Amino acid sequence: GAVVSQHPSRVICKSGTSVKIECRSLDFQATTMFWYRQFPKQSLMLMATSNEGSKATYEQGVEKDKFLINHASLTLSTLTVTSAHPEDSSFYICSALGTNGGYSNQPQHFGDGTRLSIL
Amino acid sequence: AQSVTQPDIHITVSEGASLELRCNYSYGATPYLFWYVQSPGQGLQLLLKYFSGDTLVQGIKGFEAEFKRSQSSFNLRKPSVHWSDAAEYFCAVGGQGQGGKLIFGQGTELSVKP
Repeated sequence: GAVVSQHPSRVICKSGTSVKIECRSLDFQATTMFWYRQFPKQSLMLMATSNEGSKATYEQGVEKDKFLINHASLTLSTLTVTSAHPEDSSFYICSALGTNGGYSNQPQHFGDGTRLSIL
Repeated sequence: AQSVTQPDIHITVSEGASLELRCNYSYGATPYLFWYVQSPGQGLQLLLKYFSGDTLVQGIKGFEAEFKRSQSSFNLRKPSVHWSDAAEYFCAVGGQGQGGKLIFGQGTELSVKP
């Protein structure tokens, strides 16, 4: 089945540093990837939609200068949390949508998430 | 407005008992419906999906779901729950022209008693 690898699985760093999270589709090409944030015991909050070769589309209320997204290839998207602060601590999950002749009725395949802790 | 409601935040069932997790949606067009499961600290795994056709959908791990358009529901069922089914379950809806975007429900946490 479709596999999405997310790395790192856990990050602990000091306030003010920038953190990069990678999301790779291992056995399929993903024209679209999604980035979510999940707070404890809550649902997934879509942060942005990343399309290969174009600028990401951010959801309302998400700071695009804070959360930089790059989707440089059909198998890799990165999320960089710039100048991270304790309030950015959360569980970040990516998902990838495979190409299938342009049909949008494909399920998202999720990575295992990244637990980000800012001290 | 488009939305997904999972009325039950937390459900506890005994091992071997049957399970039904409720999902209601509000969507202006033909919905694509999904159920995902999340174990603690993990990403989401797809259990099953409905796009069209037979309204009773079979998924992995013995789960099934039934699409009922008249009730705007897509409830998840399993005839006999195993302890390993304890997890968080999310219902989601999407549709054509949405670029694959999904709207997720709040999730239902399933606990299994021995």
